[in-house]
Amino acid sequence: DAKTTQPNSMESNEEEPVHLPCNHSTISGTDYIHWYRQLPSQGPEYVIHGLTSNVNNRMASLAIAEDRKSSTLILHRATLRDAAVYYCILRRGGTSYGKLTFGQGTILTVHP
Amino acid sequence: SAVISQKPSRDICQRGTSLTIQCQVDSQVTMMFWYRQQPGQSLTLIATANQGSEATYESGFVIDKFPISRPNLTFSTLTVSNMSPEDSSIYLCSVEVFAGPGGYGYTFGSGTRLTVV
Repeated sequence: DAKTTQPNSMESNEEEPVHLPCNHSTISGTDYIHWYRQLPSQGPEYVIHGLTSNVNNRMASLAIAEDRKSSTLILHRATLRDAAVYYCILRRGGTSYGKLTFGQGTILTVHP
Repeated sequence: SAVISQKPSRDICQRGTSLTIQCQVDSQVTMMFWYRQQPGQSLTLIATANQGSEATYESGFVIDKFPISRPNLTFSTLTVSNMSPEDSSIYLCSVEVFAGPGGYGYTFGSGTRLTVV
């Protein structure tokens, strides 16, 4: 599986935007970029995913570099509830059954 | 998306005993996955369970220690056998769900927090 690299931790203030980077220089053409987050004492939850184009949903935006070797998860207005570990994961697309390989993720701290 | 019910949510067990964790999904799914999350660590995949066949285990995990059942398309169990304190972890089940044009994503249960004393 292609590897991703994320900063160990980041901090933000409430109501401010947060940009969480992810490097995936060995990404293959069929790999989708997935983001999950894990709130304290909960299982991971899906945030967003994309292939080449930038994506938006109700939780976040995903900006993907033109060469696809990096991406950024954007939380437009951080809240205290966004404090979590954020995982950037590459998953082979198209077919069913592609296991997720979790890295260490980025611990996001949100200050009131 | 699928909803997963995982039981028990937590347990404290004596070393040498076994614990069976149940994972119930509200819809039929082909693949179910079992993960372990050791204290302060990320998630590690234990095995993949496909209905009607034996589970596929990842390197470092064996069937004798973590037997898995998958009797139908909505249910699976993971047993942690002959437990030691090193087995103290959070165990999570996950299912694959169709996520639209991007293919497949995953839904996770809330986990079973196991403490072995």
